Amino acid sequence: EAAVTQSPRNKVAVTGGKVTLSCNQTNNHNNMYWYRQDTGHGLRLIHYSYGAGSTEKGDIPDGYKASRPSQENFSLILELATPSQTSVYFCASGELGGSAETLYFGSGTRLTVL
Amino acid sequence: QQKVQQSPESLTVSEGAMASLNCTFSDGTSDNFRWYRQHSGKGLEMLVSIFSDGEKEEGRFTAHLNRASLHVSLHIREPQPSDSAVYLCAVSPNRIFFGDGTQLVVKP
Repeated sequence: EAAVTQSPRNKVAVTGGKVTLSCNQTNNHNNMYWYRQDTGHGLRLIHYSYGAGSTEKGDIPDGYKASRPSQENFSLILELATPSQTSVYFCASGELGGSAETLYFGSGTRLTVL
Repeated sequence: QQKVQQSPESLTVSEGAMASLNCTFSDGTSDNFRWYRQHSGKGLEMLVSIFSDGEKEEGRFTAHLNRASLHVSLHIREPQPSDSAVYLCAVSPNRIFFGDGTQLVVKP
């Protein structure tokens, strides 16, 4: 079965600090995604990647960077964390792409920025 | 940009009664529709996908699609307390857009 693992599960950070959220997938999928989930906004796409070395901006990329050093790993980086970035973050992997893609999600990282 | 709206926001049903969830979308060129389930504190689990008008059944979960009405629904037959979760509608052409979800509670 497809496996996507996120770490940490919970994180408390201070305003202005740097935060790195990590995601690892064992599915050998080319595509990986970072979403945040907030009440009233559903899941919103932050960054995504089509393969090692590639990152693309999603719908809400401001304040976030992404890194895809390998097929398996995709990180989300908050260089200067702000309280508005308090949220639950989900990583997903997928194949085929476009409308035919099935996404496999990790269990999420709950980030609190104080 | 695609807008995906789900209703109701929350739904409580008794164990064994049919549960029906609704999703409307704004982009008439959408061609791929999926329903995901999210248990509290967990990631998303895909339940059923549908690509053409009509219905698609996966076990106790049935999706109905009417693209002319910009509407897709999910019906859960004989829901159990373990089905209590948030249900998310995902719609795409090209990129996947999610609704805000419906919180389903199944009472024993």
